[in-house]
Amino acid sequence: SQTIHQWPATLVQPVGSPLSLECTVEGTSNPNLYWYRQAAGRGLQLLFYSVGIGQISSEVPQNLSASRPQDRQFILSSKKLLLSDSGFYLCAWCGGPNQPQHFGDGTRLSIL
Amino acid sequence: QKEVEQDPGPLSVPEGAIVSLNCTYSNSAFQYFMWYRQYSRKGPELLMYTYSSGNKEDGRFTAQVDKSSKYISLFIRDSQPSDSATYLCAHRYSGAGSYQLTFGKGTKLSVIP
Repeated sequence: SQTIHQWPATLVQPVGSPLSLECTVEGTSNPNLYWYRQAAGRGLQLLFYSVGIGQISSEVPQNLSASRPQDRQFILSSKKLLLSDSGFYLCAWCGGPNQPQHFGDGTRLSIL
Repeated sequence: QKEVEQDPGPLSVPEGAIVSLNCTYSNSAFQYFMWYRQYSRKGPELLMYTYSSGNKEDGRFTAQVDKSSKYISLFIRDSQPSDSATYLCAHRYSGAGSYQLTFGKGTKLSVIP
């Protein structure tokens, strides 16, 4: 069966520091991968998605970036965090078009 | 007009009650519909996935889709305290290249023992 892993579960970072969140999927090949941010009362906001290695589409211009160095690995990064980057970050995968997405357990990021 | 509207609640019901959760959407191009359950501090978990108008049942859960009215519902029978969570509806377009979901903001449900 397929599983998705995200880490860390919780992260506290100072303003201006870099960020790297990692997501890996097991038990499938060539998944579509997604990064979302969930803010209280604002729903899920799609940040990036990827349909293959090295292929990244950005949905929201911001100081975050994403990379997909391997088929089942998706990384969310920032060079300098802002206070507004605080939130709950979720990684998801799906098997292809018209398939439902499956989520990891998220990383709660707090910026001080 | 927002693409997906979902009553945020909170909704509080006694144990054993039938729960009805609803979403409306404006884009008739949406063809696939999902319900997710999200416990506090966890990722959303897929509950139901359907693309047809009508009802789909899975245990105590029934998803209902009315494409003519652009309205979807999730019914929970014999609700349990473990059903206390936030429920998110989601929709997507059909066809190749349709990689994105559009989510409602979620309805927070509490089932009181």
